[in-house]
Formats: sequence, structure tokens, C-alpha cells
Amino acid sequence: EAQVTQNPRYLITVTGKKLTVTCSQNMNHEYMSWYRQDPGLGLRQIYYSMNVEVTDKGDVPEGYKVSRKEKRNFPLILESPSPNQTSLYFCASSFIGGRNANEQFFGPGTRLTVL
Amino acid sequence: DQQVKQNSPSLSVQEGRISILNCDYTNSMFDYFLWYKKYPAEGPTFLISISSIKDKNEDGRFTVFLNKSAKHLSLHIVPSQPGDSAVYFCAATDSNYQLIWGAGTKLIIKP
Repeated sequence: EAQVTQNPRYLITVTGKKLTVTCSQNMNHEYMSWYRQDPGLGLRQIYYSMNVEVTDKGDVPEGYKVSRKEKRNFPLILESPSPNQTSLYFCASSFIGGRNANEQFFGPGTRLTVL
Repeated sequence: DQQVKQNSPSLSVQEGRISILNCDYTNSMFDYFLWYKKYPAEGPTFLISISSIKDKNEDGRFTVFLNKSAKHLSLHIVPSQPGDSAVYFCAATDSNYQLIWGAGTKLIIKP
């Protein structure tokens, strides 16, 4: 089954404790992206990657890191989480080029609470 | 400054009637628009899209209309069904693969 998986689905942590949210896709997509969803703000892009070893900042990259060592994986790293990073996080992927290039497939989301 | 705006946080429609969700944008460089549907505890799923060279795209019960001069698009769902109750996001892109998202509209279909 074609899918984007994220782990963990729920996480409660404390300020300053490093954490990683994993994202994996099995569709051989070149493009991967991380978003956060906050009430009234829609989805805001944190980081994206056009291919292996290529990553770029989105609209709200502060406090986050990513890596793309393999095509299928795109982990999101919070080196020192703070309460303002409490949010719902989504990973997404898509092909680059072609008719369906902009149709991104989303993971189920990770709800993060930073105390 | 939000480039994509969905001004109605929620919309309630009777089952069987038409649902119309609206979206406005400010960036005239946007050339492709998408609608996504999101159920609770799930990620958004792609619903329908439209290129800026068209003014209408239809897929079953779902039709998207684009008015470029007004920088406005709308999603029509006819007839509305209970399973259509979800949050609907409008998104736009200028072909650089970056999607700019609206805040979403929660659609409630009443039986």
C-alpha cells in the first residue's frame, strides 16, 4: 500500500529534550516536506527536500532541522524543543514534474506537546 | 500576510444540498490550485485541482471553479453527503512545488 508513515503519532516532552519525528514514504517520491498545523493558520511549511542530500527552509524553519540521507526518509529534528513548538506536524511527499507534481501525499500526523 | 485565504472557518449544509466552499488568493503568479480534505486524526488527502488555464474542473460530485480576475476559487459539492463532513483546505502554487495553504473551512453536513 502506497503511504507516508510518521512516528510517533503522539509525543509529550519537556523543554530542551531533543527529539526526532521520523517520516518514511514508499512511493519513490523525490519531494518531501514537513508542515505544522496550528489553529487558524492552516499548514505552514517548515522544511522541504527536492532529492537526497538537498534540503531547503520553508516558511517557519526556526528551531528545526532535517536530513535527507535516503530517498524514502525525511526525519524532523528538534534539538531543543520549546513550548511554542507544540503543534500538529505533517510529513508529505510527491513526485517532481509531470501532471501530478503538486499533489502531495500526507502522513497521518504527529501531535507534539512540549511542556 | 496570508496569500491564500479561506474566510469561513465553518459551514453547515443540509444533506443533499449543495456545499460551496470559497477561497481567495492575492498572488497573481499562482498557476495551480488544489483542494484537500482532512478528517480528524488523519493527514489531508488530495481532492481536486485546477490549472490557471482553466476555469472549471469537475470530478463526480466535486467541481472547482476558478475566477482569475477576481482571484477567487470555489469548491462545489453536489449533492452533499454525511461523509463529506471534514475540514477542507485550499492550496496554491506557482509551480515551484511549494504549496501555500489557506486556514481551512470545517464543513458540517446535517442529516
